[in-house]
Amino acid sequence: DGGITQSPKYLFRKEGQNVTLSCEQNLNHDAMYWYRQDPGQGLRLIYYSQIVNDFQKGDIAEGYSVSREKKESFPLTVTSAQKNPTAFYLCASSIVLAGGRNEQFFGPGTRLTVL
Amino acid sequence: AQKVTQAQTEISVVEKEDVTLDCVYETRDTTYYLFWYKQPPSGELVFLIRRNSFDEQNEISGRYSWNFQKSTSSFNFTITASQVVDSAVYFCALSIRNTGGFKTIFGAGTRLFVKA
Repeated sequence: DGGITQSPKYLFRKEGQNVTLSCEQNLNHDAMYWYRQDPGQGLRLIYYSQIVNDFQKGDIAEGYSVSREKKESFPLTVTSAQKNPTAFYLCASSIVLAGGRNEQFFGPGTRLTVL
Repeated sequence: AQKVTQAQTEISVVEKEDVTLDCVYETRDTTYYLFWYKQPPSGELVFLIRRNSFDEQNEISGRYSWNFQKSTSSFNFTITASQVVDSAVYFCALSIRNTGGFKTIFGAGTRLFVKA
């Protein structure tokens, strides 16, 4: 089955610790994205990547880092510099189409809680 | 400003009622795409529909229909004869040109409760 997997589903972190969220896709998509979802708010873009070894900051990149060493993988690290990391994190992927008409395919999300 | 507004935070209906979810967008671009996604309790968003800025035809897919009106910058979504399985959060999104490609802006979402 083609799709996007995110692990773990739930993650607990102590303050001051870095933590890495996994995102893997087998859809052969070039583009991958990380979003943060908070209650009552829409999805906010953290980072995105349209090609291996290249990625761009989104609207709320501070306190986060990513890598894109393989087409199918786009891990997100939440660093201790992120002041309020408790949130639901969604990974997505898409093909890259001219004109921005590409819909995104989403993983099931990781709920991160900072204790 | 480029933004998407979903003014309805939560809607509650009884099964078999029709319900309309509102979406208003702002952009200076003349070429853009609009989307609707559904987020069931499992968490992952599911794509429902895409519409480009030059195509104002309404679309119907089963119990779902979409009304795109450029004059009012709206892209509303109607569910006819709602069912309990329609309970979810629905997001409207706008894709616009951005540095290095395109960017998708999501609304805050509308949570729909359908009661049996």
